[in-house]
Amino acid sequence: QTVVTQEPSFSVSPGGTVTLTCGLNSGSVSTSYYPSWYQQTPGQAPRTLIYNTNTRSSGVPDRFSGSILGNKAALTITGAQADDESDYYCLLYMGSGIWVFGGGTKVTVL
Amino acid sequence: EVQMLESGGGLVQPGGSLRLSCAASGFTFNSYAMSWVRQAPGKGLEWVSRISDSGSGAFYADSVKGRFTISRDNSKNTLFLQMNSLRAEDTAVYYCTRHNAYFAFNFWGQETLVTVSS
Repeated sequence: QTVVTQEPSFSVSPGGTVTLTCGLNSGSVSTSYYPSWYQQTPGQAPRTLIYNTNTRSSGVPDRFSGSILGNKAALTITGAQADDESDYYCLLYMGSGIWVFGGGTKVTVL
Repeated sequence: EVQMLESGGGLVQPGGSLRLSCAASGFTFNSYAMSWVRQAPGKGLEWVSRISDSGSGAFYADSVKGRFTISRDNSKNTLFLQMNSLRAEDTAVYYCTRHNAYFAFNFWGQETLVTVSS
């Protein structure tokens, strides 16, 4: 069974930088998985941040960036702000019409 | 402006059925694949099902295969999810989402809540 792994939580200081990762329980994440990233605050629908590894969705600030780091997809927040405090989910396309979300990372800004 | 409005959620007993709808506007509905994504209380996101722009191809997560059916009516700009043999673990808020060309979801509806309980 495919499991997409994310760190459960991260803490970052205001103005600081944090990198969240998205891996696989077996194998490496590459651009062929078309990794995308979503931000969700409590009680709200998710918001699309990054798609196709590193393309920012419309209106997303450039402090959010996506990449492949080693064998994982990564989302970096540079210059974190208070309203970046959210849950962040990665999504991988596994092929054959199947998508799998990671378990999510809760980011605290303090 | 892209809008997607889900409806049809509610309380249903285990083993029962429910049909969710997602009314779309602000874009050419029949040009986009669509998916349903759900989120159980206090849990993460789970992709449920995807349908092609024409409605000719559908895919399902293993957790719902054989019980859920996704469909669409392009003449009415509406996406559906027929849910049968519902279980307690299907309790979640359900979102309809629009795909982009890069296997991602770039627009999300607001949600509809499904509660499976006796």
